[in-house]
Amino acid sequence: QKEVEQNSGPLSVPEGAIASLNCTYSDRGSQSFFWYRQYSGKSPELIMSIYSNGDKEDGRFTAQLNKASQYVSLLIRDSQPSDSATYLCAVNGDNFNKFYFGSGTKLNVKP
Amino acid sequence: ETGVTQTPRHLVMGMTNKKSLKCEQHLGHNAMYWYKQSAKKPLELMFVYSLEERVENNSVPSRFSPECPNSSHLFLHLHTLQPEDSALYLCASSQTDRVDYGYTFGSGTRLTVV
Repeated sequence: QKEVEQNSGPLSVPEGAIASLNCTYSDRGSQSFFWYRQYSGKSPELIMSIYSNGDKEDGRFTAQLNKASQYVSLLIRDSQPSDSATYLCAVNGDNFNKFYFGSGTKLNVKP
Repeated sequence: ETGVTQTPRHLVMGMTNKKSLKCEQHLGHNAMYWYKQSAKKPLELMFVYSLEERVENNSVPSRFSPECPNSSHLFLHLHTLQPEDSALYLCASSQTDRVDYGYTFGSGTRLTVV
């Protein structure tokens, strides 16, 4: 079983601050990395994907990947209360788009 | 209808009942998945169907039986479940040649076994 580790939180940040979410993975052969957001009682929704080392920015979100250290992170700038959710890290498996998920980090953005 | 639709949204069943969960995707994807989500645990991959052929079952107990009659529909048949099977069951779909799109999840079925 491939392992994907996340701090369960909760991570509390004030509105307007930068939220930093981290994820480590065990399989060095992984090539695709995803961040999903899951609101309470809802299904996960894809917010970012990253494949190459370095940073990838999309609006207020920046994904960072370091394959040598086997970690991927998500930065949320100017955090809003609407960003309060659980953030799931997913890492690809062997084939067929099979992904392994972490248990998620709960983020609370306080007004 | 768009996206991935799951029915029912909520299900309460006794340990001796038989029920089925249904998933339908309207995205033209060629792979579908069943995941189990329990509190404070990672999403657990249960079954993968690619081009209607089951390619992974991850040692799921036989009381869970999947069926994929075509690329748009996926079922999970349930019988003689245990209380520890209570969880959120998520269906997802993807296009295997577009990894960058990841999965699209359905809204899930919240299952309670009593």
